[in-house]
Amino acid sequence: DTGVSQNPRHKITKRGQNVTFRCDPISEHNRLYWYRQTLGQGPEFLTYFQNEAQLEKSRLLSDRFSAERPKGSFSTLEIQRTEQGDSAMYLCASSPPLRDQETQYFGPGTRLLVL
Amino acid sequence: DQQVKQNSPSLSVQEGRISILNCDYTNSMFDYFLWYKKYPAEGPTFLISISSIKDKNEDGRFTVFLNKSAKHLSLHIVPSQPGDSAVYFCVAQSGGSYIPTFGRGTSLIVHP
Repeated sequence: DTGVSQNPRHKITKRGQNVTFRCDPISEHNRLYWYRQTLGQGPEFLTYFQNEAQLEKSRLLSDRFSAERPKGSFSTLEIQRTEQGDSAMYLCASSPPLRDQETQYFGPGTRLLVL
Repeated sequence: DQQVKQNSPSLSVQEGRISILNCDYTNSMFDYFLWYKKYPAEGPTFLISISSIKDKNEDGRFTVFLNKSAKHLSLHIVPSQPGDSAVYFCVAQSGGSYIPTFGRGTSLIVHP
């Protein structure tokens, strides 16, 4: 399968614990995005990378959240000191070098439940 | 503050009939619009897009209409099929930005 993959698919953690999610984009895609989706809402942008550079961060991304893409390939999203309000689906997407306006290719997401 | 609004959370349609999904936006800087479809346990997948220089784009059974003066777009699916049952997200972007704004989605159910 050559699509975007995310691991783990599900994560249950206790409040206050740290969690880390991984995203592997489609290999030739240079842009990578993270989103958060809560029940009844559409995906909300968190941050995006062009190659290894993190170019934009949403104000939704509090200090407890950090994302990396060290070699311009896979990316990790870490949440420190998780809170119950962090419970959501975390989606990753990638897109190829710009031709026209772009479309994004989404992974299946990581569902986080903070108890 | 929802800049992209999908006011119908759900829509139920008979197989073979037309499905019309509506979307309104408030930001006049938006100039590129997309529809994504999402099945349960999967990520959204791109369906169709339209640039603000057009008012219609068609791809097979799917047509998107854009009314810039009303800040309104709609997705028409004709004929609707049970496999079209999914959540449809309306998405808007402004020129030069890679950051999309999603609506809340409309859940379409197509009955056999």
